[in-house]
Order: sequence, then structure tokens, then C-alpha cells
Amino acid sequence: GAGVSQSPSNKVTEKGKDVELRCDPISGHTALYWYRQSLGQGLEFLIYFQGNSAPDKSGLPSDRFSAERTGGSVSTLTIQRTQQEDSAVYLCASSLPGRPYNEQFFGPGTRLTVL
Amino acid sequence: AQSVTQLDSQVPVFEEAPVELRCNYSSSVSVYLFWYVQYPNQGLQLLLKYLSGSTLVKGINGFEAEFNKSQTSFHLRKPSVHISDTAEYFCAVIPKGGSEKLVFGKGTKLTVNP
Repeated sequence: GAGVSQSPSNKVTEKGKDVELRCDPISGHTALYWYRQSLGQGLEFLIYFQGNSAPDKSGLPSDRFSAERTGGSVSTLTIQRTQQEDSAVYLCASSLPGRPYNEQFFGPGTRLTVL
Repeated sequence: AQSVTQLDSQVPVFEEAPVELRCNYSSSVSVYLFWYVQYPNQGLQLLLKYLSGSTLVKGINGFEAEFNKSQTSFHLRKPSVHISDTAEYFCAVIPKGGSEKLVFGKGTKLTVNP
């Protein structure tokens, strides 16, 4: 079946502009995660959505970053007033709910370059 | 909080040689352990995981890893590598009973040379 998809695959923007990154999870997956992969920091957790529960935003690096998930499916990560240090690959993952653990399936990522 | 250390940032090996990628973790609670692989310009793919039971786990593409609780390690091994194994490998943990967000190491780039 279809995996996690992300768009755009590449985004080049100018410093100070806002950007929106989109994630389409696997159908039926109620958990959705955003991670950031950058040269200096490796892979870092950003935000986690699970069903209708309040999202875990503990990984967002600043208030310029926000995310929403509409209808329990598609998610959008928004970065306002982009800075050069925001340049990274943004990865989205989704999984089924439940314990002890369900595999997170990753999308191909969006490569963001801030000039 | 949890942290993961991958001791080697780059590992070059020749084709058909054995390889071991090292991973150590720190956590005040028990964790689940994972190895992910990222091929060039692709997303992350799960190689194998340790949840409970036998400490030796086998994954895809002939990889295996052994959980050592006393040494807090989860090293990845393959007895004979192929050119196609060239990729970046990430070790990760999730605390048992806690948040399901993955905590990753910084990755090891494996380069298999002919």
C-alpha cells in the first residue's frame, strides 16, 4: 500500500519567509511524528500527534515552529520567519496506536534550504 | 531522559568483510532499542528492534544486533557486507511506558568499498 508521503521534496526559501511542509500519513495510522535531520544536530524529535489528544510539542525549537493535524490525517509543519539554521531535512513518520510499541514508518523527507 | 551514542561517525570496509557498528545508550528507565538505515536520498527504514526476550535479534538484509543490558549497548553486526549496504545507520531508543518519540544517535556512515 501507499507509504508516508511528504511535499514538497525540496524547498528553497529566503531568510525571513514562512514555509509550510506537508505530511500524508499511512491510512489508519493515528500517530504522527515530525523529526528534523540536520548536519549539526543529527535526528531530533519535533512534535507528536496521537488521535485527538493534545500534541506533544516538547521538541519544537522555537515559537516560530508550529504544526497542526487536520481531521486526524494530514499534517502541516509551519516555520515562520525562517532562519538559516532551519535548513535541514524534515521527516514525518506515522504509526498505529497501542502498546508496547508500533513501528514508525518514515516518509522521504522535505529538504529545506534557507538562503 | 535518554541519550544514544554511536561511537563511530564513519566506518569504511571492504566488500565481504564483517562489520560492527557500535551503539551505547543512557537511560534511567528500561528502553526499547532500534536500528534504522537510511540509503542515499531516502527516508529511514527499520532494520531491527529489541522489545523483549532473546537479546540477539535478527533483522532484514542479514543484519543482527545484540542487546547487552549491563553494558547498555546494542551493537549492529553483519558477517559479510555488500556494496549495497552503503548507507547511514541510526541507533535509537524509546523509553518503556513513556513517550513514543524516538531518541536517535548521530548516525554511522557505512561505506562498503569493492
